[in-house]
Amino acid sequence: DAMVIQNPRYQVTQFGKPVTLSCSQTLNHNVMYWYQQKSSQAPKLLFHYYDKDFNNEADTPDNFQSRRPNTSFCFLDIRSPGLGDAAMYLCATSRGLAGTETQYFGPGTRLLVL
Amino acid sequence: GDSVTQMEGPVTLSEEAFLTINCTYTATGYPSLFWYVQYPGEGLQLLLKATKADDKGSNKGFEATYRKETTSFHLEKGSVQVSDSAVYFCALRPQGAQKLVFGQGTRLTINP
Repeated sequence: DAMVIQNPRYQVTQFGKPVTLSCSQTLNHNVMYWYQQKSSQAPKLLFHYYDKDFNNEADTPDNFQSRRPNTSFCFLDIRSPGLGDAAMYLCATSRGLAGTETQYFGPGTRLLVL
Repeated sequence: GDSVTQMEGPVTLSEEAFLTINCTYTATGYPSLFWYVQYPGEGLQLLLKATKADDKGSNKGFEATYRKETTSFHLEKGSVQVSDSAVYFCALRPQGAQKLVFGQGTRLTINP
């Protein structure tokens, strides 16, 4: 089945230690997104890629970076995680940028910062 | 700015009860509207969507109608099951924008 895959499902890191979360997709979609969802809150978009074009949300901290080496993979890098970065990180994809396009979500990676 | 307001939870119902989760939105232009469901420990799954006024989205017995005059997209199901227990998010995608704007989510618990 075509899908959005996130690894690992759970990630523990230390305060200030860089961490990378991974997302892959078999949908061959052009757009990939990263959302942050803190406990009992709504998901919040961090950034997205349309093909290789990177688009950062205005309020995304500089501590968060992303890479998309090819169509299938997208990575979220947190350079110096703080305690406030503990959250569920959701990857999503869509075929295109039109407002009617559905975004398909992966299962998420829950990040714990010690 | 664009925003979504959902009925506050948690909501607890008995099996086979009728469900309504209210959702209203504020947006310019013609946003697309979505309901996503999140089961414990999992990511978001699209439940249904509507992309223009008066469209009705439906899936797995759930329905929601895009009402532009009342800026609403209420979720309904005629007879809920224990397996419907989850958190439900109403979301909009503003016209011309890439991000989804989510409501706060409504936790639904169905008791047997």
